[in-house]
Amino acid sequence: AQSVAQPEDQVNVAEGNPLTVKCTYSVSGNPYLFWYVQYPNRGLQFLLKYITGDNLVKGSYGFEAEFNKSQTSFHLKKPSALVSDSALYFCAVRDVGTGGFKTIFGAGTRLFVKA
Amino acid sequence: GAVVSQHPSRVICKSGTSVKIECRSLDFQATTMFWYRQFPKKSLMLMATSNEGSKATYEQGVEKDKFLINHASLTLSTLTVTSAHPEDSSFYICSASPVLAGDLYNEQFFGPGTRLTVL
Repeated sequence: AQSVAQPEDQVNVAEGNPLTVKCTYSVSGNPYLFWYVQYPNRGLQFLLKYITGDNLVKGSYGFEAEFNKSQTSFHLKKPSALVSDSALYFCAVRDVGTGGFKTIFGAGTRLFVKA
Repeated sequence: GAVVSQHPSRVICKSGTSVKIECRSLDFQATTMFWYRQFPKKSLMLMATSNEGSKATYEQGVEKDKFLINHASLTLSTLTVTSAHPEDSSFYICSASPVLAGDLYNEQFFGPGTRLTVL
């Protein structure tokens, strides 16, 4: 069965510093990986995805993620954090099965960016 | 971009009553929609996969008779919480992907969520 792990409940970073939010996954076939962000009392917003191709994926709001097959990781990164990046971030893996698909989410990592 | 709406955004009901939550894809069609439940400071728990024109597929541990799902059209799915109890209080979120070849690669678009409070 597919699974996603986000080992950090919370990440604190100062504004202007680089940030990393960690994610590891377990899949039986090819991984389809996603990052979403959730602001308070809002639905999730898509940031980026990895399906195939370049290991470094660029997404919205200056975020990027690096797919590492040997480490089964898909860490989210940003070179310079903004206070407005403070939110809840979810890593997800697409579970592709016969007749359909579903997305499995990690537990989420809360990012705090201090001014 | 693709937009998914939910109605209502917030509902308060008495214990024992039923509540219906609507999920609509506003500018695309979706054969499949998903219903999630999010507990405070927790991740999203997939409740069921809603399939247009057929029965929903429920995840293990989710009571299908309590959480009724109807996917009446390619743009509308409804979740009805029947005989609601305080423990059903939660944030319910729906999502959908456009119905095109390559659904497997498309990101899901999420509704803004519905906050249900059962007194």
